[in-house]
Amino acid sequence: AQKITQTQPGMFVQEKEAVTLDCTYDTSDPSYGLFWYKQPSSGEMIFLIYQGSYDQQNATEGRYSLNFQKARKSANLVISASQLGDSAMYFCAGRGSTLGRLYFGRGTQLTVWP
Amino acid sequence: GAVVSQHPSRVICKSGTSVKIECRSLDFQATTMFWYRQFPKKSLMLMATSNEGSKATYEQGVEKDKFLINHASLTLSTLTVTSAHPEDSSFYICSARENLGQGRTEAFFGQGTRLTVV
Repeated sequence: AQKITQTQPGMFVQEKEAVTLDCTYDTSDPSYGLFWYKQPSSGEMIFLIYQGSYDQQNATEGRYSLNFQKARKSANLVISASQLGDSAMYFCAGRGSTLGRLYFGRGTQLTVWP
Repeated sequence: GAVVSQHPSRVICKSGTSVKIECRSLDFQATTMFWYRQFPKKSLMLMATSNEGSKATYEQGVEKDKFLINHASLTLSTLTVTSAHPEDSSFYICSARENLGQGRTEAFFGQGTRLTVV
């Protein structure tokens, strides 16, 4: 099993600034993956970025990058140049080797203000 | 990414009736689908893992007779909330696992279903 911890219930950032959303994980699986999803008020889960435990480089997808620190068991999401449309709930999730199920953190509500 | 379609997006039903929610993988075959439940402003809780052609695996505390799951084909899984009660009102969301080869898999989510039982 995995445990995903997101300690920030809410974050605020001004438009065009960068913001870091924290995520730590705890797993006994030797191979695992870490995901970030965005959930706007409509409810859909939008995949943002993925980091595999054996990936040498930190994952990047456009304005999203993942600060993966294996020794600290952290996988923080960095959003650069925030936009008003980035306001949403953000979930960190982990996946081990069993069946592909995801374990979710509690989420962080991000609010971007003008 | 692959597309997973969930239907309906919203449903209101009377207490005591049953509601069926469909989850379809539109452009890939999904041997495994997952059903999650989400309470307002809370995280997603896995309810069950749906395997094509076999019985679903339910998480502890989830009533299998209450939440019937059928995964009859490689592209369709259904969740039926039987004898619904107001406390079953929630957001239900499915995800389908796609095998990408070389041991890699990916999970794609449906749009979710907001169930209100009155």
